[in-house]
Amino acid sequence: DTEVTQTPKHLVMGMTNKKSLKCEQHMGHRAMYWYKQKAKKPPELMFVYSYEKLSINESVPSRFSPECPNSSLLNLHLHALQPEDSALYLCASSRMGLAKETQYFGPGTRLLVL
Amino acid sequence: QQQVKQSPQSLIVQKGGISIINCAYENTAFDYFPWYQQFPGKGPALLIAIRPDVSEKKEGRFTISFNKSAKQFSLHIMDSQPGDSATYFCAAGSRLTFGEGTQLTVNP
Repeated sequence: DTEVTQTPKHLVMGMTNKKSLKCEQHMGHRAMYWYKQKAKKPPELMFVYSYEKLSINESVPSRFSPECPNSSLLNLHLHALQPEDSALYLCASSRMGLAKETQYFGPGTRLLVL
Repeated sequence: QQQVKQSPQSLIVQKGGISIINCAYENTAFDYFPWYQQFPGKGPALLIAIRPDVSEKKEGRFTISFNKSAKQFSLHIMDSQPGDSATYFCAAGSRLTFGEGTQLTVNP
């Protein structure tokens, strides 16, 4: 099973809302990633968790707050977002977070901020 | 700045034809070069990847050609099919520095 699941598929939120995106994998992977993808653009790395610890934060604004409750789950908490944060948010995982590992992507959550 | 330049931005090919997408990179420390395929509404999926100690890698209809001295690599899709219509991203390095993407359309 090489599946990464993400919920919800779509999310509409106002700028004062608080919401969370969820990601789950059962491949035994120990590295998990959040990416942001705007239309017709490549994915941009936001955060990397390795063995449930945040290892990379690509200078993402604090209105995005990641959380890794266990090795299978990854959350992205959203608060006070801006309309320009509307995008496809992708979760990915890899075996150990080492170089040259295949990253497996989920289908993404399409977020619209009004 | 670590960049990967990808061309063309869009490509239209007839069924059965060869699709060729090119990428160039700047950082000589990159040692992993994957290609990802993304269909609308889906996340990217790894298609094929190459390491710099090899000049070519073939998997089915998909071939990566790698030119280390020119710092270029390309994806060739032989016998292109309408089902290959998707966006293709090259990437480089373990942190996946992506190219800008190529939207491929294969006409029946």
